[in-house]
Amino acid sequence: QSVLTQPPSASGTPGQRVTISCSGSSSNVGSNYVSWYQRVPGTAPKLLIYNNNQRPSGVPDRFSGSKSGTSASLAISGLRSEDEADYYCAAWDDSLRRVFGGGTKLTVL
Amino acid sequence: EVQLVESGGDLIQPGGSLRLSCAASGFTVSTNYMSWVRLAPGKGPEWVSVIYSGGTTFYADSVKGRFTISRDTSKNTVHLQMNSLRDDDTALYYCVREVSYGNQLYFDYWGQGTLVTVSS
Repeated sequence: QSVLTQPPSASGTPGQRVTISCSGSSSNVGSNYVSWYQRVPGTAPKLLIYNNNQRPSGVPDRFSGSKSGTSASLAISGLRSEDEADYYCAAWDDSLRRVFGGGTKLTVL
Repeated sequence: EVQLVESGGDLIQPGGSLRLSCAASGFTVSTNYMSWVRLAPGKGPEWVSVIYSGGTTFYADSVKGRFTISRDTSKNTVHLQMNSLRDDDTALYYCVREVSYGNQLYFDYWGQGTLVTVSS
C-alpha cells in the first residue's frame, strides 16, 4: 500500500484535458514539494514536474502541476497518443523520508 | 548527456545474494545524491536506499540490515549489495539521481532498470 494515493486509472480522447490526483497527508504532500514522473513501459521513467509545478527543460507545457493542501494534481492538456503511460507522484514524508503514489495508468482512447 | 545503466539483475533463490551496479555518465556520482528505487509488479515505486555526496547512506526499513549501497568513484559507479533476498524483493530496480534539499525532493534521471526475481 503506497503512502500517497492515486487513482489506478484515467483515460481521455486525443485533444482532451485530463487530470491525475495525488492525495497525501500533512506530513508529506501538505508540507513538502511534490514531483511527478511518467513511465512508458520499456523505457526509463522521466521527471515531468518538480517542486509542485516546475517543468524540467524539454517537458512540453501541456504538462502542468498544482498543489492545494494535502492534494496535488497533474494536468495534461491536448492529450496525445504518446501520453499513454503510467504516472507517479512522489514527495518527502517527514517520518518516512521518500514516498511515492501507487501510480495511475493513463489510457488514450 | 546524462545516462544511467544498471546491471546485475537475475533470477535468484530466497536467501541468496545479488550485487547490482549502476554505471553513470555525463555527471559525477560522488558529487550527487544517488538512490535506488524499485518497482514491484502491480505496486507503486518504493525507495530503497540513498548515498549522499558526503558518503552518508540511508535505507528503507524493508531492506535495512540486508542491503548495502556503495560507490566506486574511479568507475563513476554505484552498487547495491543485496543479501538475504526474499520473495517480496522481486522488482525492477532503478538507479536514480536524486535532488533533495529542505522539503524539496525529486529524481531527475533514471536508468532503464534491472530485473531482480526472487523465487525457488
